[in-house]
Amino acid sequence: DVKVTQSSRYLVKRTGEKVFLECVQDMDHENMFWYRQDPGLGLRLIYFSYDVKMKEKGDIPEGYSVSREKKERFSLILESASTNQTSMYLCASTSSGRAVQGPNEQFFGPGTRLTVL
Amino acid sequence: SQQGEEDPQALSIQEGENATMNCSYKTSINNLQWYRQNSGRGLVHLILIRSNEREKHSGRLRVTLDTSKKSSSLLITASRAADTASYFCATVTSYDKVIFGPGTSLSVIP
Repeated sequence: DVKVTQSSRYLVKRTGEKVFLECVQDMDHENMFWYRQDPGLGLRLIYFSYDVKMKEKGDIPEGYSVSREKKERFSLILESASTNQTSMYLCASTSSGRAVQGPNEQFFGPGTRLTVL
Repeated sequence: SQQGEEDPQALSIQEGENATMNCSYKTSINNLQWYRQNSGRGLVHLILIRSNEREKHSGRLRVTLDTSKKSSSLLITASRAADTASYFCATVTSYDKVIFGPGTSLSVIP
């Protein structure tokens, strides 16, 4: 059974703290993604990675950084958490599909609901 | 900016009716995908349509793609209460970048 796991379901942090969100997939996927989901705004792409040590900015990268040292693990880092980063964070992975017109379906983790006080 | 935009934002129908949701996008795509999200849960992939396809079926789902109009539609036939969820379209552009729209909230009334 394929699986994408995220380190925490719920997380409460204080303004200014450094926050790490971890995502692990066991499908040997090349591509991994971090989104945040807010009411009325849907999913917005923060960063994605198409290979180890490779990263691309999404639509809202400000205030975030990422790390992909191993193929199965993609970390999202909030260097100094702020209250406007309170949100649901979703990680996803997919196989690379450049030879077949883009990747196939994305597999999502259960999400981490982060509250910054 | 959002690549995909769903329309309508919210839809309420009676059980047994058909539900149609639309998605428009701005740039060229490799493929377009539809996902469902039940309240408080992760997203589940429903169907994928490639840029060289015009229509695709999966059970009670029918997806169309018009690349000249940069739009897609998702039709759910004979809706059930269990179809109540949010539905998102996602466009896949170059370098495997995936962008989601804001979603359509569907309520199916028993």
